[in-house]
Amino acid sequence: QLQLQESGPGLVKPSETLSLTCTVSGDSISSRSFYWGWIRQPPGKGLEWIGNVYYNGRTYYNPSLKSRVTISVDTSNNQFSLKLSSVTAADTAVYYCATEGLVSSTLGYWGQGTLVTVSS
Amino acid sequence: EIVMTQSPATLSVSPGERATLSCRASQSVNSNLAWYQQKPGQAPRLLIYGASTRATGIPARFSGSGSGTEFTLTISSLQSEDFAVYYCQQYNNWPPITFGGGTKVEIK
Repeated sequence: QLQLQESGPGLVKPSETLSLTCTVSGDSISSRSFYWGWIRQPPGKGLEWIGNVYYNGRTYYNPSLKSRVTISVDTSNNQFSLKLSSVTAADTAVYYCATEGLVSSTLGYWGQGTLVTVSS
Repeated sequence: EIVMTQSPATLSVSPGERATLSCRASQSVNSNLAWYQQKPGQAPRLLIYGASTRATGIPARFSGSGSGTEFTLTISSLQSEDFAVYYCQQYNNWPPITFGGGTKVEIK
């Protein structure tokens, strides 16, 4: 059974860089089965797609965040990561990692999510 | 970017009744539309993809329909575990993948 688990600091200061890692178990990131994606959800609000990465490092980003986002893959550790720079309070959210289908970009497997608060 | 609009924002339904949720796209997404269920404190769960295909393990009381710009999720007979927030998502034109704002199904 494929499982994903987010990890990283729960508190980030304004203007700094948010960094999260998603560890994948039950499948290899190099299996070419999925895109590996990040989605966020501000408290009490809806879902926002951040972007994804393929096993070979190819990335797609949400244009609204593209200037601040970097998603990368670490096949040796079966992980992929999110970096979001110059954060503000508006970036406070639960951050999820998830799998995206290659043919249909549906989000089939999700991590449990991790709350990141931006505050000084 | 394709904007997804869901209605109503909140739907009050009695257990055993039928619930009908709507999702509209700002331009055609063909049948590239998915539905998710999210319960408090949990990650979303994929219910429907391709507008009408149930994901693995999803009960038959959940059904999806529509194509182009108008879509519907129907829950034929609401069970207690179905009270949650439901999101639609388009994947016809991406990036970005976009979601609707959600419909909360609450107990009447």
